[in-house]
Amino acid sequence: DVKVTQSSRYLVKRTGEKVFLECVQDMDHENMFWYRQDPGLGLRLIYFSYDVKMKEKGDIPEGYSVSREKKERFSLILESASTNQTSMYLCASSTRRTSGGLYTQYFGPGTRLTVL
Amino acid sequence: AQTVTQSQPEMSVQEAETVTLSCTYDTSENNYYLFWYKQPPSRQMILVIRQEAYKQQNATENRFSVNFQKAAKSFSLKISDSQLGDTAMYFCAFDGATNKLIFGTGTLLAVQP
Repeated sequence: DVKVTQSSRYLVKRTGEKVFLECVQDMDHENMFWYRQDPGLGLRLIYFSYDVKMKEKGDIPEGYSVSREKKERFSLILESASTNQTSMYLCASSTRRTSGGLYTQYFGPGTRLTVL
Repeated sequence: AQTVTQSQPEMSVQEAETVTLSCTYDTSENNYYLFWYKQPPSRQMILVIRQEAYKQQNATENRFSVNFQKAAKSFSLKISDSQLGDTAMYFCAFDGATNKLIFGTGTLLAVQP
C-alpha cells in the first residue's frame, strides 16, 4: 500500500515563528502536493512539485515556501507564521499521469497547525 | 478556470439505505479525471472511486458507483447499503491538463443507525 506520512498530527506555534511541515512518501512518486483544508472551502493547493528541486505555485502560495531535495520528501515552510495560517495541512503524492497504472493522489493523515 | 460544485453541505441516510451525493464541474477540456474522496472523522483522506472522462462506462467499486454525465458535467456518487462506517466528509475532485486536483467544498454524510 502507498504510504504518505507527515511529521506531526498536531502543532502549536507562535506568531512570527518559522514552521516546517514534513511529508514523506514511500512509493517513488514523482509528484507531491501541499494542500490547506478549511471548513467550507474544501482543499486548496498551496504548492506542488513534479520532480526533485522543482516546484510550482498552487492557488494560495502567499506566505509559504517549499523544498524538495529528495524524491520522497516534500517540506512546507511558513517563514513567519501568522494566525490566519491556522489550518489543517494535507500532503499528497502521485505518479505522473503518463506513468501508467492507476493515476490518483494519495494523502497523508494531515497536520493540524494552530498559530497563537 | 475549472470549478467543482457540491451543492449539498450535509446529508443524512439510514443504515442499509441508498444515498446519492451530487457534484457538478465546469471545464472546457475533453480529457480529465474525476474522483470522489472520503475523509472520515479520523481525517485521513482516502480514494473512494475514480472516473476517466474518455470512458463512457460508469465506474463502480463494491457499494460505491458513479453516474457520470459528461455532456451535463455531472458526477454523482451513489452509496448502496449504507453502513455506519460510511459516515464521513465526501469530496468531489477534478484533475485536468494542469495535473492539479480541484476540490469541491465537500458533503458531510451522516449514516444513522
